[in-house]
Amino acid sequence: DTEVTQTPKHLVMGMTNKKSLKCEQHMGHRAMYWYKQKAKKPPELMFVYSYEKLSINESVPSRFSPECPNSSLLNLHLHALQPEDSALYLCASSQRGSPLHFGNGTRLTVT
Amino acid sequence: AQSVTQLDSQVPVFEEAPVELRCNYSSSVSVYLFWYVQYPNQGLQLLLKYLSGSTLVKGINGFEAEFNKSQTSFHLRKPSVHISDTAEYFCAVSGAVRDDKIIFGKGTRLHILP
Repeated sequence: DTEVTQTPKHLVMGMTNKKSLKCEQHMGHRAMYWYKQKAKKPPELMFVYSYEKLSINESVPSRFSPECPNSSLLNLHLHALQPEDSALYLCASSQRGSPLHFGNGTRLTVT
Repeated sequence: AQSVTQLDSQVPVFEEAPVELRCNYSSSVSVYLFWYVQYPNQGLQLLLKYLSGSTLVKGINGFEAEFNKSQTSFHLRKPSVHISDTAEYFCAVSGAVRDDKIIFGKGTRLHILP
C-alpha cells in the first residue's frame, strides 16, 4: 500500500478532451511533485509545489496545468494533449531533506 | 549540478545468487543518495537512502548499499536474490542542500533466472 494515492489508475483520452489527474497525501508533507515516466525510462520532473506554491516548472507545455488546492491535494489538468504525451504520470511528496514518496501513478493513453 | 550513472541497463542473475547493481555519481557538493525500486505497473518505492553517517546502509527486502566517497559510488547489493526481486532499480542523487532536486539514473532492469 502506498501513502500517496493517485486517481484514476488508467485514463484514455482523445486529443480534444479535458481531463484531470488527482493526487492525495496525508503524511503532512509540504512538497508535492508531478513526474512523467515513459516506458523503460527514469521519471522526469514536471512540477514541484512547495507549501502550496509552484516552485519549479520544468518548461512543461501549457497543455499541462498543475493545481495545488491545499497541502494534501495536487491536481494535473490536461487539455489538447498529443499522442506522445502518453505515459505514466507519477505524483510524489516529501518533507524537506527526506526522500520522495511516490504514488502508483496514472497510466495515460492519448488517442 | 549533480549527475548519476547506472552502468548496466540490464542484469541477469540466477535465483539465490548474489547481485550488485552499480551506481556512480558526480557532484561538486555533498550529496544525498537513494535507491528506488519499481515493480511492474507500480510507482517507485524507496529501498534505502544515504544522508550522512555510516557508509553502509541497510534497506528493505535484504538490500544494502555502500557509499564510497573516493570512488563516487553507491552500489546496491543483495546476497541472495528471489524471483520477486525482478524489477527496475533506480539510483538517485541530490545535493545535500535545501530543496535540491533529485536526479535519477537511467535504471537497471534486474532479471532473475530460475
